[in-house]
Amino acid sequence: EVQLVESGGGLVQPGRSMKLSCAASGFTFSNYGMAWVRQAPTKGLEWVATISYDGSSTYYRDSVKGRFTISRDNAKSTLYLQMNSLRSEDTATYYCTREDWFAYWGQGTLVTVSS
Amino acid sequence: DIQMTQSLASLSASLEEIVTITCQASQDIGNWLAWYQQKPGKSPQLLIHSATSLADGIPSRFSGSRSGTQYSLKISRLQVEDTGIYYCLQRYSNPYTFGAGTKLELK
Repeated sequence: EVQLVESGGGLVQPGRSMKLSCAASGFTFSNYGMAWVRQAPTKGLEWVATISYDGSSTYYRDSVKGRFTISRDNAKSTLYLQMNSLRSEDTATYYCTREDWFAYWGQGTLVTVSS
Repeated sequence: DIQMTQSLASLSASLEEIVTITCQASQDIGNWLAWYQQKPGKSPQLLIHSATSLADGIPSRFSGSRSGTQYSLKISRLQVEDTGIYYCLQRYSNPYTFGAGTKLELK
């Protein structure tokens, strides 16, 4: 059974950093691209970033480019999202998802950016 | 960026009714479209991918179709468990973009 479990969310002040993790199991992690998708409270879904199966290619939405870094450790079957210079508008539940049609999603981790 | 327009923010229908939810792409995206259902407090669930292909484990009352740059999700006989918010997604090009969502409720 495919499982994706996010962790690392919480309350953080504007301008600070936070790192999210997503532990994957139930499939060969190194064979799949992965992505982060977020959802602000009461809002719709927003793609954030994608990383290729081997980490050689990464893609970001403009609003997080230069502030967020997506990475992966295939030996640990873990996906990461390093978020720097956080803003109030980054407040959202962050989901990790497998890149093939976003067929599998984690339960999400809430990031609240507030002073 | 490619815009995905779901013209109906909400929709109310009766049990066993046929429901159609639409999504308009701002440019040609071929069959690079998916549909998701999200229930309150839960993660989204993939229903349809490649515009018309049913995802694993999804009931056959769900189907997808395409006419040019307009995409439709059809529920042939609405069930209680089908309430929720439905989103379309284009993954033709980065940035991937979702529609704003259509909230489906029972009448």
